[in-house]
Amino acid sequence: AQSVTQPDIHITVSEGASLELRCNYSYGATPYLFWYVQSPGQGLQLLLKYFSGDTLVQGIKGFEAEFKRSQSSFNLRKPSVHWSDAAEYFCAVGAREYGNKLVFGAGTILRVKS
Amino acid sequence: DSGVTQTPKHLITATGQRVTLRCSPRSGDLSVYWYQQSLDQGLQFLIQYYNGEERAKGNILERFSAQQFPDLHSELNLSSLELGDSALYFCASSEGQANEQFFGPGTRLTVL
Repeated sequence: AQSVTQPDIHITVSEGASLELRCNYSYGATPYLFWYVQSPGQGLQLLLKYFSGDTLVQGIKGFEAEFKRSQSSFNLRKPSVHWSDAAEYFCAVGAREYGNKLVFGAGTILRVKS
Repeated sequence: DSGVTQTPKHLITATGQRVTLRCSPRSGDLSVYWYQQSLDQGLQFLIQYYNGEERAKGNILERFSAQQFPDLHSELNLSSLELGDSALYFCASSEGQANEQFFGPGTRLTVL
């Protein structure tokens, strides 16, 4: 069965510090990979996506992610966190073989301290 | 703003009732997806439509149904509502069937 694991439920970082959110997946097909962000009471905003090609992808708001097939991982990074980055982050996986439905991780809540 | 609209924003109803949630996809998008977000289950895929036809089904209860109309808007119908159906329901759309999905703001359903 397809699954996505985000091992960290909560992460707290200081403003200006670097950030890495972990995502591991288990999928029986060639995956598409996504990171979404959700602010309280808001919908999901797409941060970045990986379909194929360069395994380091750039997204909006200064985020990037690296696809590592050997580790089944797609970790999200940002070199310097801003207070406005506080939100919940979801990793998601899809595949054409599964009708392109997205399977989401449980989410990681990011807190930013000043 | 993703370009996906959902109405209503909030819905409060009683057990046993039936409600309809509406979604308008981004202009040009042919695929519509429905997801449910709850505290205990997280984000779960319910169902997908592509150009009016059902294409994929997830953990959707038999009490729930959906359709996509010729103008590509979609409706999710929830009947015989139970307390456990209280959740945030998201609609997403994509251009085709293998593209990134853009999410609407969601409809928060509260069943009392």
